[in-house]
Amino acid sequence: DTAVSQTPKYLVTQMGNDKSIKCEQNLGHDTMYWYKQDSKKFLKIMFSYNNKELIINETVPNRFSPKSPDKAHLNLHINSLELGDSAVYFCASSQGGQGQGGTQYFGPGTRLLVL
Amino acid sequence: QKEVEQDPGPLSVPEGAIVSLNCTYSNSAFQYFMWYRQYSRKGPELLMYTYSSGNKEDGRFTAQVDKSSKYISLFIRDSQPSDSATYLCATKLIFGTGTRLQVFP
Repeated sequence: DTAVSQTPKYLVTQMGNDKSIKCEQNLGHDTMYWYKQDSKKFLKIMFSYNNKELIINETVPNRFSPKSPDKAHLNLHINSLELGDSAVYFCASSQGGQGQGGTQYFGPGTRLLVL
Repeated sequence: QKEVEQDPGPLSVPEGAIVSLNCTYSNSAFQYFMWYRQYSRKGPELLMYTYSSGNKEDGRFTAQVDKSSKYISLFIRDSQPSDSATYLCATKLIFGTGTRLQVFP
């Protein structure tokens, strides 16, 4: 069974469109994250949710809106897509947030290409 | 200065070599450190986790933290072609840029 899963794996879309990426974890963790990995492989935290509550919101354009319907799911909706949004988006989960040093389990990534 | 810095490589070594991967960090308050391995087109996976200073060994892998110099290292003994990947150091939710390692037969 996949611990952290994301859909879709690939997303190719036009500038200006709105798209969503879904994430689910079956590890029973209480904290979930979204990361962006750019073309130089730099992995940067975007958001973190603990028990469905937003606890980290890094400097991310407000076109990005995370939603956590329950502890096992964290979705990412992106409005008005721009060329610079092209990247790989990783979802991750951990038991405990950064304060407890909870190690993270990553999903396989969603490759987003904006044309 | 970035909070976690890492040489991006690439590092190319022959099979059987000892590999040393290194990171520096800026905030002395950081207490725990992780090494993740990321294969091409996959998500990062946790390799080693260390708390505070000292060494931790797991099979062919040894993680080392020197808090006095804010330096963390990962050593891979008897490197294998299957070790070819990008290695990311991390603390809290801050990741280094990753070092790409290639082990050739």
